[in-house]
Amino acid sequence: DIVMTQTPLSSRATLGQPASISCRSSESLVHSDGITYLNWLHQRPGQPPRLLIYKVSQRFSGVPDRFSGSGAGTDFTLKISRVEAEDVGVYYCMQPTQFPHTFGQGTKLEIK
Amino acid sequence: QARLVESGGGVVQPGESLRLSCAASGFTFRSHGMHWVRQAPGKGLEWVAVIWYDGSNKYYTDSVKGRFTISRDNSENMLRLQMNSLRVEDTAVYYCVRWGDDKVMDVWGQGTTVTVSS
Repeated sequence: DIVMTQTPLSSRATLGQPASISCRSSESLVHSDGITYLNWLHQRPGQPPRLLIYKVSQRFSGVPDRFSGSGAGTDFTLKISRVEAEDVGVYYCMQPTQFPHTFGQGTKLEIK
Repeated sequence: QARLVESGGGVVQPGESLRLSCAASGFTFRSHGMHWVRQAPGKGLEWVAVIWYDGSNKYYTDSVKGRFTISRDNSENMLRLQMNSLRVEDTAVYYCVRWGDDKVMDVWGQGTTVTVSS
């Protein structure tokens, strides 16, 4: 199974300031079709997760452009250019490249 | 608007069974693969199972193989998860999730809670 490792596991951000989360996979996430599949999800307390980023860097419909994803191979990053209050919660990276699909442990983002 | 509504959760004893259902609406259900993803209390997300759009393929996480069965009824727009021989460690919120283009989990239900306790 592909192991997804996120750092940090907890972060306190200042409103209006940037924040970033790293995700490393134990194997390359390049699929046999040549595409790298790495997604980021956000879960607010008491809510189901929602998709933010797919295929490393593609913003899902309705996701603000302050969210961006980057990376390649086994190392990936989610960046928030200017943190807003609604960004609190837990962020997960996940790989749908192969089964079983696996998630990172989650990174809890709080506001200072 | 795409919507998924789970039901069937509850409190059971170890070794008992439950069947979860997920009613889909607002999209062409028969065109999408579907997942079950669970989240134990205070823990992260764990993928459980997937079924192809036509039911032709199914995959499971190792810990539920032989105990859980994913199925679908495209005539009723319904996804199901039959859970047998339940264990304490199966306690979680179970989410029904649509498998979208580009391998995304793009629509999530609100979840149904399964508690396995003696």
